[in-house]
Amino acid sequence: GAGVSQSPSNKVTEKGKDVELRCDPISGHTALYWYRQSLGQGLEFLIYFQGNSAPDKSGLPSDRFSAERTGGSVSTLTIQRTQQEDSAVYLCASTQSGGPYEQYFGPGTRLTVT
Amino acid sequence: AQKITQTQPGMFVQEKEAVTLDCTYDTSDPSYGLFWYKQPSSGEMIFLIYQGSYDQQNATEGRYSLNFQKARKSANLVISASQLGDSAMYFCAMREGQTGGFKTIFGAGTRLFVKA
Repeated sequence: GAGVSQSPSNKVTEKGKDVELRCDPISGHTALYWYRQSLGQGLEFLIYFQGNSAPDKSGLPSDRFSAERTGGSVSTLTIQRTQQEDSAVYLCASTQSGGPYEQYFGPGTRLTVT
Repeated sequence: AQKITQTQPGMFVQEKEAVTLDCTYDTSDPSYGLFWYKQPSSGEMIFLIYQGSYDQQNATEGRYSLNFQKARKSANLVISASQLGDSAMYFCAMREGQTGGFKTIFGAGTRLFVKA
């Protein structure tokens, strides 16, 4: 079956512009995560969706960041008024319901803010 | 507070030897899960092994085993018979139970270099 997909794979944008990053999780997976990974660094948790529950937004670094998940499936991460420090790889992952909840990751979107 | 600690930024191992990658964690939740992921230079994240907090035995998956010491809150990854293809970043991660909202957090990672 298809894995997690993300689009675009690369995005170059000018400082101050808004960007939207898309994630298509594995069909039937109930949980969806967004992470940010700066070059050579670990994964920084951003936001987590679980079924119909309110998302855990505790990792969003500022109010310029927001995310939605429509119909319990596709998710969009939006970054408004991008800054150079937003440059990173944005990874999406999904997990199925029921344990052990290992995450299946997409290939990531590499965002470069110039 | 740091909940997942990987103290080894980089490790070297000779091909065919075993290597242990350290991970300690901190949680007050009695129910949690521990994971190890591999990230090769290609950037993909690959799930390796899982250990549940209530599991009595250490998890094993092929050449990977998890040395789970609950009282010490450590979950070290052991890779036996290292191969050149094992060269990658390795991340330890923890999913807390209900009190943590089931979200998963990652350590800073350990870069493993396998020498021929």
